[in-house]
Amino acid sequence: NAGVMQNPRHLVRRRGQEARLRCSPMKGHSHVYWYRQLPEEGLKFMVYLQKENIIDESGMPKERFSAEFPKEGPSILRIQQVVRGDSAAYFCASSLSVGFNEQFFGPGTRLTVL
Amino acid sequence: GNSVTQMEGPVTLSEEAFLTINCTYTATGYPSLFWYVQYPGEGLQLLLKATKADDKGSNKGFEATYRKETTSFHLEKGSVQVSDSAVYFCALSEITGGGADGLTFGKGTHLIIQP
Repeated sequence: NAGVMQNPRHLVRRRGQEARLRCSPMKGHSHVYWYRQLPEEGLKFMVYLQKENIIDESGMPKERFSAEFPKEGPSILRIQQVVRGDSAAYFCASSLSVGFNEQFFGPGTRLTVL
Repeated sequence: GNSVTQMEGPVTLSEEAFLTINCTYTATGYPSLFWYVQYPGEGLQLLLKATKADDKGSNKGFEATYRKETTSFHLEKGSVQVSDSAVYFCALSEITGGGADGLTFGKGTHLIIQP
């Protein structure tokens, strides 16, 4: 049973470009969470999604960031017009159901903005 | 809001030493508590968890007890190995009316075990 998959593992973008990060949850999991880890910091919650719905986006920056989890395909975290401060590791996690709140993490995407 | 505070690192120990990593939390309700471990270049792996007061989570020789009276969830291991070198994160999660929320993490404690 494959774990949470994220790609790419490493992404380099120049300032002003767009970054698209993909996350495929564990088989059977319909809840996806995105977190950001800045250097020397813990993970910060960004957004929680179920299929075709954003449940909680209280941790998402108000501008340039968006997330989706379509009926088919992976969850996408999209960052438009990236800036150097967006450089971080972005982790995706998935869980089985609402009441079972154990989250399984992917290996992360390390975004570097030049 | 919720928060997690854990001891600053790095923590450097010799092999077979006793380990304690302190973790305290602030939460509005009755959270579940977790310890995650992150090895270099990898994602987080769940190490152990406890869902209610006085529960003890344990795995791979590590254990932590949910202490509601002191709002703590300290991680302990009786005899550490070089392979335990990693970053350890304490975290909490609450089930709200809208469903399972995101985890709130501490900043992490970098553990270095020397042979």
